[in-house]
Amino acid sequence: NAGVTQTPKFQVLKTGQSMTLQCAQDMNHEYMSWYRQDPGMGLRLIHYSVGAGITDQGEVPNGYNVSRSTTEDFPLRLLSAAPSQTSVYFCASSYGNAYRTGRGYTFGSGTRLTVV
Amino acid sequence: SQQGEEDPQALSIQEGENATMNCSYKTSINNLQWYRQNSGRGLVHLILIRSNEREKHSGRLRVTLDTSKKSSSLLITASRAADTASYFCATLESGGGADGLTFGKGTHLIIQP
Repeated sequence: NAGVTQTPKFQVLKTGQSMTLQCAQDMNHEYMSWYRQDPGMGLRLIHYSVGAGITDQGEVPNGYNVSRSTTEDFPLRLLSAAPSQTSVYFCASSYGNAYRTGRGYTFGSGTRLTVV
Repeated sequence: SQQGEEDPQALSIQEGENATMNCSYKTSINNLQWYRQNSGRGLVHLILIRSNEREKHSGRLRVTLDTSKKSSSLLITASRAADTASYFCATLESGGGADGLTFGKGTHLIIQP
């Protein structure tokens, strides 16, 4: 089925470990982004990309890296996990300029990460 | 920082009643979007309203936007049990630059059968 696929769904890390959260979309969307959702905080933007080879920082980028080598994939890397990074992570994609297209973002089902 | 703030934080109504949620934001925007999130799931896009639009409809949903007051409202008519979820407003700032959405903290809607 077309959509945004995130893996893994659940992950437990020890402090200091690194890992990559995977995100793939098969809708040929230009825009992709990563958010984290914490209780009572809504969603906060970590990093985003407007096309292959182009990435930029969002509101809370510290401790995370991204790359966009293909249109389909947008992995999020945690360099050295900290308990403060315990959260639910969502990847989202869209066709492009929302004002022009009138379309919103398609979200993945999320990765629940716990850092102990 | 959070751009949008939804009001109320929680809302409980009887099935068949209308539900109204409000969103206020701080900066000039390009467009405003509403999303629904069922417990433990990803977000689903409901409706988008551009900065030069004042009202939009989609099925049982009606969204208004008042850029002078920097506020929006989402009305769900004839509510159903399946409408139980959290609802978030999200804005895209005008002026180019960031293309990521800025979300509010959400309204948790409970529809009592």
